[in-house]
Amino acid sequence: AQSVSQHNHHVILSEAASLELGCNYSYGGTVNLFWYVQYPGQHLQLLLKYFSGDPLVKGIKGFEAEFIKSKFSFNLRKPSVQWSDTAEYFCAVKGSSASKIIFGSGTRLSIRP
Amino acid sequence: GAGVSQSPRYKVAKRGQDVALRCDPISGHVSLFWYQQALGQGPEFLTYFQNEAQLDKSGLPSDRFFAERPEGSVSTLKIQRTQQEDSAVYLCASSPHTVADTYEQYFGPGTRLTVT
Repeated sequence: AQSVSQHNHHVILSEAASLELGCNYSYGGTVNLFWYVQYPGQHLQLLLKYFSGDPLVKGIKGFEAEFIKSKFSFNLRKPSVQWSDTAEYFCAVKGSSASKIIFGSGTRLSIRP
Repeated sequence: GAGVSQSPRYKVAKRGQDVALRCDPISGHVSLFWYQQALGQGPEFLTYFQNEAQLDKSGLPSDRFFAERPEGSVSTLKIQRTQQEDSAVYLCASSPHTVADTYEQYFGPGTRLTVT
């Protein structure tokens, strides 16, 4: 079955710490991969996406993610987090010609000032 | 408008009532999606429209759920005879592309439905 697993339900870090949020997916065929972020009280918004090409994708606010096809993974990273990164982060996958995006259950990131 | 808007933002319904949730996508966006997000979970796909055509409704959980987009712009998600398990945030998203193209979706703020 098609699915997305986010291993960490809640991550707590201090400012300036490095971040890596895990994401693994199960999907046959060519995929598009996404990380969405939801800041407190705001809409879901796209952080970064992978469609093809360079598997290391850079997004907004210093975030990046690496697509490792052999591991079915698309982990999100940031070298130095800020308090303003406090949010819920969702990994998602879509088959290249499919209509639905399948989301993971989300990781809540809390940053201690 | 500048983004996807949804109304109402909050809705409380008694079990058994019918509700209608509205989505105004970004002007000119071809694709429109509805998702259901239960507490502590990620959004789950409900249905997809390309213009006025409902091309995928595989995620609708029961025949109590019905969606329409009659003129290819505004969409309404209707839930008949609401049940407590329908309590969730209902998200709408739109995209300028069809699903056959690579694309991203722009999400609205959601409607929080509580069924008592």
